[in-house]
Amino acid sequence: GESVGLHLPTLSVQEGDNSIINCAYSNSASDYFIWYKQESGKGPQFIIDIRSNMDKRQGQRVTVLLNKTVKHLSLQIAATQPGDSAVYFCAETSTGRRALTFGSGTRLQVQP
Amino acid sequence: EAGVAQSPRYKIIEKRQSVAFWCNPISGHATLYWYQQILGQGPKLLIQFQNNGVVDDSQLPKDRFSAERLKGVDSTLKIQPAKLEDSAVYLCASSLPRDSSSYNEQFFGPGTRLTVL
Repeated sequence: GESVGLHLPTLSVQEGDNSIINCAYSNSASDYFIWYKQESGKGPQFIIDIRSNMDKRQGQRVTVLLNKTVKHLSLQIAATQPGDSAVYFCAETSTGRRALTFGSGTRLQVQP
Repeated sequence: EAGVAQSPRYKIIEKRQSVAFWCNPISGHATLYWYQQILGQGPKLLIQFQNNGVVDDSQLPKDRFSAERLKGVDSTLKIQPAKLEDSAVYLCASSLPRDSSSYNEQFFGPGTRLTVL
């Protein structure tokens, strides 16, 4: 069935380093992808999105890359800060569907 | 701008009891979602409303879960009777209506953490 998964459950990085969080999806009909950040005790918070007609999109300190050939999505965080420590989820949806399908999440730990 | 409000924040019940959660979406958001997030997993959609109509409830366990949004604003999600496996965080989200060519960001509330003993 449809699934969105992540390669690494936990990622530990040093403060100031760049972080890369990966996600694989299986629904080839997916045309819209979103990264969410979830801190303890809070709901998911939108970080950045990308449509399937793009392969890269940049925000403030974050970049999302989409490789439709291998159905792979990644989130890059530049100069990782302690405030970036959280669980990160990728999610996908497609034109005609309305629901988001979330992956299982990657915990990012930033070491001072 | 006020965010999505949910109550209660925490609830502990025994199995076979009933429980209800309340959600107040962002003002003007016609679309409302309920998600279930089991510990260590991503949120899973239970039901989606457009105004007071159900758009998608294909993953809602209808034998025990029910939800309503009678006036197209607030919503309640009920579980009756609860099972141990219902222990999870129940998230409410809202968004502007999505048309066929766009996607509107979903804003999430803080969730209700349910523990079933």
